[in-house]
Amino acid sequence: ETGVTQTPRHLVMGMTNKKSLKCEQHLGHNAMYWYKQSAKKPLELMFVYNFKEQTENNSVPSRFSPECPNSSHLFLHLHTLQPEDSALYLCASSQEWLSNTEAFFGQGTRLTVV
Amino acid sequence: EDQVTQSPEALRLQEGESSSLNCSYTVSGLRGLFWYRQDPGKGPEFLFTLYSAGEEKEKERLKATLTKKESFLHITAPKPEDSATYLCAVQAAGQAGTALIFGKGTTLSVSS
Repeated sequence: ETGVTQTPRHLVMGMTNKKSLKCEQHLGHNAMYWYKQSAKKPLELMFVYNFKEQTENNSVPSRFSPECPNSSHLFLHLHTLQPEDSALYLCASSQEWLSNTEAFFGQGTRLTVV
Repeated sequence: EDQVTQSPEALRLQEGESSSLNCSYTVSGLRGLFWYRQDPGKGPEFLFTLYSAGEEKEKERLKATLTKKESFLHITAPKPEDSATYLCAVQAAGQAGTALIFGKGTTLSVSS
């Protein structure tokens, strides 16, 4: 098993659909993150969970709803998205939110909103 | 405002032609500087962490260095498989729970 696994790898959804992205980490980390990567832009932090508690919501629209049932799993629920939400969504994990250790990333979900 | 700027935006090299990528940062206090490699359509892969000025880290053909204002990623005798986008990120001190601030990256192309 790789360290951080994301499913699905690719997703095409209509603006009225509801879908979920899944992330699982096998590294024993306590912090998990959702990032958005759009073309020609730096990675943007969306949400942070530390020991299953949400510690950061970076002004993300409510059509994105995160869920963290335990320290190993993280979901991003999507509903009524807009075409500009099309991007690569990356999950990452690190030892702890307040530590300065490196974060490890999953392969990402390429989302296309039509 | 904390900020990370990477240059150049794109770099084309011939195989064996050594060069450096630059990451300039402005943060209130540096807790760590991170280098990642990202292949097209994939997630970033961790390369190095640097914590203090003067520190250096090496891995195969890559060497990362850090000063108080910038970091360099030196690539010695690159090969085509080194082609990727290289991302720099910083973690700022003084603000609990600050996440990584990323630059836009440098896309490296190495031709044989």
